[in-house]
Amino acid sequence: GDSVTQMEGPVTLSEEAFLTINCTYTATGYPSLFWYVQYPGEGLQLLLKATKADDKGSNKGFEATYRKETTSFHLEKGSVQVSDSAVYFCALSDSGDYKLSFGAGTTVTVRA
Amino acid sequence: GAGVSQTPSNKVTEKGKYVELRCDPISGHTALYWYRQSLGQGPEFLIYFQGTGAADDSGLPNDRFFAVRPEGSVSTLKIQRTERGDSAVYLCASSLGPGGEGRSEAFFGQGTRLTVV
Repeated sequence: GDSVTQMEGPVTLSEEAFLTINCTYTATGYPSLFWYVQYPGEGLQLLLKATKADDKGSNKGFEATYRKETTSFHLEKGSVQVSDSAVYFCALSDSGDYKLSFGAGTTVTVRA
Repeated sequence: GAGVSQTPSNKVTEKGKYVELRCDPISGHTALYWYRQSLGQGPEFLIYFQGTGAADDSGLPNDRFFAVRPEGSVSTLKIQRTERGDSAVYLCASSLGPGGEGRSEAFFGQGTRLTVV
């Protein structure tokens, strides 16, 4: 079945540091890939997505590239801010599907 | 409201009791989903409604769990004879339409934290 494995946390960084959160997946078809973010006290929000191989999703300075050859969708940001402190979830939905399969989440804390 | 609303935000119940969790989706969204998030894990799919009907309930863990959406808007997740293992955050999401290549973005509520003591 479909599954997502993401880097375990927690991750603690200083402001302006580079952030990478690794995500790899297993899927039977041609999935769409997503990163969701959960800020403290808020619901899950879609951060970015990519629907086919080599697509790059980007939003709020975050980027992730759909790599079919390595079945990966790593999240990166060049210079994090305190406001980026949150839990980040990698997810997929298989082709023609509506269900999301999530990774376990990575807690990121950015210190001033 | 503009977003997905879930009530209550917190629910504490005794083992063996019956609970109902409510989800009010974004107006006009025909697709509605329930997920369960246990501590330290990502959300796990429970059930998907397209309109009034449950199009996929394959994620419901057992027959103690049931969900309805009688008028195609508000949905209620019902748990009978609750067990301590049911303790989790129950998330509801809605989207304009179902999946596929042009998959609509799913908007999540803040969840109901259920604690069974």
